[in-house]
Amino acid sequence: QVRLVESGGGVARPGRSLKLSCGASGFIFSNYALHWVRQAPGKGLEWVALISYDGREALYADSVRGRFTISRDDSKSTLFLQMNNLIPGDTAVYYCARGAYGTVLPPFDSWGQGTLVSVSS
Amino acid sequence: QSALTQPPSVSGAPGQGVTISCTGSSSNLGIGHDVHWYQQIPGTAPKLLIHGNTNRPAGVPDRFSGSKSGTSASLTITGLRTEDEADYYCQSYDISLRGVVFGGGTLLTVL
Repeated sequence: QVRLVESGGGVARPGRSLKLSCGASGFIFSNYALHWVRQAPGKGLEWVALISYDGREALYADSVRGRFTISRDDSKSTLFLQMNNLIPGDTAVYYCARGAYGTVLPPFDSWGQGTLVSVSS
Repeated sequence: QSALTQPPSVSGAPGQGVTISCTGSSSNLGIGHDVHWYQQIPGTAPKLLIHGNTNRPAGVPDRFSGSKSGTSASLTITGLRTEDEADYYCQSYDISLRGVVFGGGTLLTVL
């Protein structure tokens, strides 16, 4: 079955960096767009970034554009999110999610369990 | 301010039905992008409930149904059960924002 497992979360000071990873199994990784979604404590879901199935297209939410970079390594079936210049507003559980086959459009039919990022001085 | 607007909360008694609305605009639902719905039980990852406006993934009970018309969409849950208590989110794609958008979420309470 499809499985997504995030890692790399933790505590960071404002202005520092963290890199999240999402290991995938149970499907042909290179056929799907992938997304990062975050959820601040007690808040709703916020889409963060997507990368197309072929890695040629990456889109970002306004709140993270210029600070975060999404990438993928199809040889390792792994998705990444490089987060630079972190701010307290980035504190959230970060989920990776599988998008639709061959398109950047939703829905997201599989989600990881999430990894917590906490930004605090 | 979310691109998709949902009521913060709805409630219903066991066995009754509720409807959760999702209002978008001409840059998402109104231009023909599909709406999708997710259920999130506190402390767990979201789960896809309805995709492509009206379609249920395998394993989702037929008590859950979706509809879409113009810039609005709805999720209807009939025969409420206590295990339906959760947050529900609508989702679509927005061409002006050039990205995926979620509604603010609706907390369903089964009284």
